[in-house]
Amino acid sequence: QKEVEQNSGPLSVPEGAIASLNCTYSDRGSQSFFWYRQYSGKSPELIMSIYSNGDKEDGRFTAQLNKASQYVSLLIRDSQPSDSATYLCAVTNAGGTSYGKLTFGQGTILTVHP
Amino acid sequence: GAGVSQTPSNKVTEKGKYVELRCDPISGHTALYWYRQSLGQGPEFLIYFQGTGAADDSGLPNDRFFAVRPEGSVSTLKIQRTERGDSAVYLCASSLQGDRGDEQYFGPGTRLTVT
Repeated sequence: QKEVEQNSGPLSVPEGAIASLNCTYSDRGSQSFFWYRQYSGKSPELIMSIYSNGDKEDGRFTAQLNKASQYVSLLIRDSQPSDSATYLCAVTNAGGTSYGKLTFGQGTILTVHP
Repeated sequence: GAGVSQTPSNKVTEKGKYVELRCDPISGHTALYWYRQSLGQGPEFLIYFQGTGAADDSGLPNDRFFAVRPEGSVSTLKIQRTERGDSAVYLCASSLQGDRGDEQYFGPGTRLTVT
């Protein structure tokens, strides 16, 4: 079982719709969760961080965390063609000395079509 | 302010050669990370520095890979006797303190191609 799993997609949504991106993780003690956006040929760009159960909203983005289910999601409201990118879920592990080490999923490709 | 910078942006080298990749973190960030990303995959952790010391080098694939951060700022990732399998994008990130909750900010990456 991979430590962080994402559906690789591609996920295709029409412009203006809600895009829902999902991620599960295996380390029950994981504490910090991040969503990165990566455009083709570019490096990952941090868009959301979440640390406690529930929802966190920032503009058109909402991150949702459920530690009991080991599940984190990202919702993008009013999707725009410029949101078309790969979305990476990243998790910091619970134990060991590498406090900041991120473990990434393989990413979900999102395509927003006009 | 200035973000994380990496040089060179692209590096093409022949199998067996030595390469150095450089990372300059965000000013004031004490933690620095190296990751490697292959096509279609998420970044994979290589090594993490807290200040000048390598706090975790468990992701380095073998002893051909080595990294330093002698003054606690700029870091250099060194790869000896390069192999074609080393071809990837090497990403550097920095964060304020290196705590579990710290947000990491990535540089533009160095695309390494070993021919």
